[in-house]
Formats: sequence, structure tokens, C-alpha cells
Amino acid sequence: EPEVTQTPSHQVTQMGQEVILRCVPISNHLYFYWYRQILGQKVEFLVSFYNNEISEKSEIFDDQFSVERPDGSNFTLKIRSTKLEDSAMYFCASSVTGPLYGYTFGSGTRLTVV
Amino acid sequence: AQTVTQSQPEMSVQEAETVTLSCTYDTSENNYYLFWYKQPPSRQMILVIRQEAYKQQNATENRFSVNFQKAAKSFSLKISDSQLGDTAMYFCAFGGAGSYQLTFGKGTKLSVIP
Repeated sequence: EPEVTQTPSHQVTQMGQEVILRCVPISNHLYFYWYRQILGQKVEFLVSFYNNEISEKSEIFDDQFSVERPDGSNFTLKIRSTKLEDSAMYFCASSVTGPLYGYTFGSGTRLTVV
Repeated sequence: AQTVTQSQPEMSVQEAETVTLSCTYDTSENNYYLFWYKQPPSRQMILVIRQEAYKQQNATENRFSVNFQKAAKSFSLKISDSQLGDTAMYFCAFGGAGSYQLTFGKGTKLSVIP
């Protein structure tokens, strides 16, 4: 069964450093998403991406965050200057026709900011 | 803004028994979709079942079924013949027809006891 692949599975970074989280969506999917889950809290929407542009973003997704699909297969989330509160599990997801038939999620990247 | 409430942080069930997980939501929209996702210890979130709000018939997927009460804004998940592999966090999620994002509840941790 096709999978959404996320790398790395765990990343530790120093506060103030830039991090890039990588995702390879399912090849025939057209919609891509990033969510995060702070330990013990609910899963929160960050951003959706379609046709090479952001289609929707949440209040969390401020100027520190950016997304890119650099080569037609990867989908990346960049955090420019990490803060302690950015420590969370970050999930990438993709879907064929939009979100309303369900996403396929990756296994997540655990980001720890120290 | 939509909210999704899962009032049971943890539940347990004996193997082969039936368990029901509760979910309520609040929205002013008339056209929307509801989901249950499962997150086993492997962390990847897996779509369990999906319900379209305009359909009165409750969705079923093998041992998983929902009780969708639109007027009460309730969307519970019933797992029949529980198996050890059903042990996981279960998240209820709401998707509005005009939005790219899903709004998740805080989750219910289900343990299936042998």
C-alpha cells in the first residue's frame, strides 16, 4: 500500500536554528498538508498546499514557517528560527482530491528544540 | 470556528467485546464530513471511517461503525469484536466542505485487554 514517508523520524535542534522537515507524499496525490501535535495535546492544522501554492493556513503558521515542493516529489516544512515551543510531532499528509475523503498521514517527525 | 470534543481520555475493553467511543462537535455549517482516525504506538494516523453529513445512513467498515446524530452533533465510533491490534489513540475529526483543514479532538486512548 502506498505510504507517505517522513524524514527524519526524530530531530533535535538548538533554539534559534533552522530546521527542514521532509516528506514524500503519495505519488498521485495532489493535496499536501502539515499538522503538528504537541505532546499530550490535540493534532493541529498548520497548512495545506495545492497546485504549488498555499491553499489555507492556520494562525500557527506565521512568518517563521514556510513550505515548498522543490522537485515534484518532496514536500518540505521549514522553521526558520526554532523556539522551545516548536517542540512537537509534525505530521505530513496527502490526499488525492482534497481533504474530505480522508488523508494519508506519514509517521511523523518528532522535533525537539533544546 | 468548529470544535470537536472527545470526553473520554482513556477507555479499556476486553478482547472480543464491543466498545463505543464518544465524539461531539460544534459547527454552524450544514455540509461537512466527519472522520475517525486511529494512531497506534507506531504513531502513523490511519483513517478508520468517514461519514458525510448529508447522508443519514451510518457508515460501517467491517468491525467499525458509527452512530451519527446530526441534530445532536454527535458522532460515536463503535468497535465490535475488539482485537489487541485495536489498542491505539482514536481521534475524531471534522472537515468543513469549504475548508482544506481538519479539526481534531484531543483523542481517546483505547486499551484492549486480553
